[in-house]
Amino acid sequence: EIVLTQSPDTLSLSPGERATLSCRASQSVNSIHLAWYQQRPGQAPRRLIYGASDRATGIPDRFSGSGSGTDFTLTISRLEPEDFAVYYCQQYGSSPLTFGGGTKVEMK
Amino acid sequence: QLQLQQSGPGVVKPSQTLSITCVISGDTVSSTSASWNWIRKSPSRGLEWLGRTYFRSQWHHEYAESLRSRISISSDSSKNQFSLQVNSVTVEDTGVYYCARLGAAAYGSKLYYYGLDVWGQGTTVTVSS
Repeated sequence: EIVLTQSPDTLSLSPGERATLSCRASQSVNSIHLAWYQQRPGQAPRRLIYGASDRATGIPDRFSGSGSGTDFTLTISRLEPEDFAVYYCQQYGSSPLTFGGGTKVEMK
Repeated sequence: QLQLQQSGPGVVKPSQTLSITCVISGDTVSSTSASWNWIRKSPSRGLEWLGRTYFRSQWHHEYAESLRSRISISSDSSKNQFSLQVNSVTVEDTGVYYCARLGAAAYGSKLYYYGLDVWGQGTTVTVSS
């Protein structure tokens, strides 16, 4: 099983600031099988990024993903009020599919 | 437009069976490119993949090891839906349950997966007597 470890647990930032979220895998992940999701309270997760760096339809370009092997990053270039939420990375290349523990981006 | 609509009880008694159904519109459960997944969220375990079903010449079912002895995922092509059953529930099974599609596109003979692209609305399940 591929274990995904996200850091930090919580990121306290102000609107307009840049957010950098990390996801580290216990073994190499094919980058085409790495996704990022956003979850707001009371809502289902929403796919932001797939294939490590491809934005899903309708996702603003302030969201970007990068990385390969065991280290992946989600960057939000300028935080908007609606971006304060929990973010999860996930690998879907091997079974069981696994998620990271999440990073909460909270307003400072 | 693809949508997943979940239905199921909100409260289940300990030792009983949890059952949730996910009705698909805009795709088919027997699609040879997608897989149909169950995920739950709980305070203690975060987002946890429970299992999936998919059709590739025949039906396949995969389950999380931690639940293998208690879980069953089935599909019904006539109703275009898939279902989750968890037997002998305990308070540890309390959480929000989601169905989701792992979408893919075919390029020649290969499938290119693009993540869990569509989710159901979630079903809050409380295990309580």
